[in-house]
Amino acid sequence: RKEVEQDPGPFNVPEGATVAFNCTYSNSASQSFFWYRQDCRKEPKLLMSVYSSGNEDGRFTAQLNRASQYISLLIRDSKLSDSATYLCVVIPGGSYIPTFGRGTSLIVHP
Amino acid sequence: DVKVTQSSRYLVKRTGEKVFLECVQDMDHENMFWYRQDPGLGLRLIYFSYDVKMKEKGDIPEGYSVSREKKERFSLILESASTNQTSMYLCASSLDLGTTYGYTFGSGTRLTVV
Repeated sequence: RKEVEQDPGPFNVPEGATVAFNCTYSNSASQSFFWYRQDCRKEPKLLMSVYSSGNEDGRFTAQLNRASQYISLLIRDSKLSDSATYLCVVIPGGSYIPTFGRGTSLIVHP
Repeated sequence: DVKVTQSSRYLVKRTGEKVFLECVQDMDHENMFWYRQDPGLGLRLIYFSYDVKMKEKGDIPEGYSVSREKKERFSLILESASTNQTSMYLCASSLDLGTTYGYTFGSGTRLTVV
């Protein structure tokens, strides 16, 4: 099993839709989790950290489910500008090196 | 904001050449990383450094070496470039290992080896 797995998509949604991505991780001792956004031919940029109690930043909500070992990203009221690849990042237990998922592609259309 | 600067956006090199990719960060971060990113394979760690002159191998170090003579600069060296090293190379830095603050990436160097 890969350490961090994401559905590559693409998720193709209309503007205004709500869309959610999951990311599963294999190391139950993992402590730190992030979501990054990467636009086409650009570098990844930090979107948000994922906290144990869940956290929200505007239209974006991140959740952590330790029992099932996944994190999620919910985007409400999708905008055309949300079109990008979303990478989940996990720092495995016993390590301090991040493991990146391969990303989920989101396409928001008019 | 932390800025991570990679010296070249695009590079074309010939097979067998020695190639230097430079990365500089301006926020006194201890840790710096080199990744390559290929379609379908995601980001793969080549090397990282947690202090000046310190380096650790990542997942795919073969064919690469690194140098960190100063805290702000981390160089990736392709000793003898090969076509399978054609890729996007991304440098990143972080304040601390296992960070809660995330990683900041440079804008990448797209290397083509012909």
